[in-house]
Amino acid sequence: GAVVSQHPSWVICKSGTSVKIECRSLDFQATTMFWYRQFPKQSLMLMATSNEGSKATYEQGVEKDKFLINHASLTLSTLTVTSAHPEDSSFYICSARVGGGRVETQYFGPGTRLLVL
Amino acid sequence: AQSVAQPEDQVNVAEGNPLTVKCTYSVSGNPYLFWYVQYPNRGLQFLLKYITGDNLVKGSYGFEAEFNKSQTSFHLKKPSALVSDSALYFCAVRDSSSGNTPLVFGKGTRLSVIA
Repeated sequence: GAVVSQHPSWVICKSGTSVKIECRSLDFQATTMFWYRQFPKQSLMLMATSNEGSKATYEQGVEKDKFLINHASLTLSTLTVTSAHPEDSSFYICSARVGGGRVETQYFGPGTRLLVL
Repeated sequence: AQSVAQPEDQVNVAEGNPLTVKCTYSVSGNPYLFWYVQYPNRGLQFLLKYITGDNLVKGSYGFEAEFNKSQTSFHLKKPSALVSDSALYFCAVRDSSSGNTPLVFGKGTRLSVIA
């Protein structure tokens, strides 16, 4: 199946700094990528939908100025957590949509664990 | 609005026994249904999906799922569980009539296979 990578896999940062997470589709082009957040022992919470060449669509309650998303190419989307605080510590997972309609499937990256001290 | 329910937080099964992980869904139109598995500190891996056609869908690692429209269910099954199947399983749905909306996930069911 399609491969999605994330970098870094682990990041520890000080409160107030910004952290950038990259999501890449390695063997396919993805016009749409999604960013999720997962708390321990909980399901995935969709944060935003990232569309190549346009602004991301954020879910209700997600601060777009805090979680900056850029989808500059068909194989790369980035999530920047600005001025991170300890409550931003979480597991962030991206996914890329392949195909459309009946053949559509989402493939997920391995996740990035963020710890803000 | 679309939603998914996974009624069991935890399922325990002995190795070699059949396993079932339950999922029910709610959509206004026809559903596209998915199962994903997550191992510790990893992203989600696609197992299988139902789009249309045969109600019994076969997927990776010997898993299968049965679509039941009358019961709005899509339970995940495997005839003989392995210890290595122990992981967190997510059911997801998308309404086929809702354009490019993202998947909606259940809260997950932790499967523990005991040797």
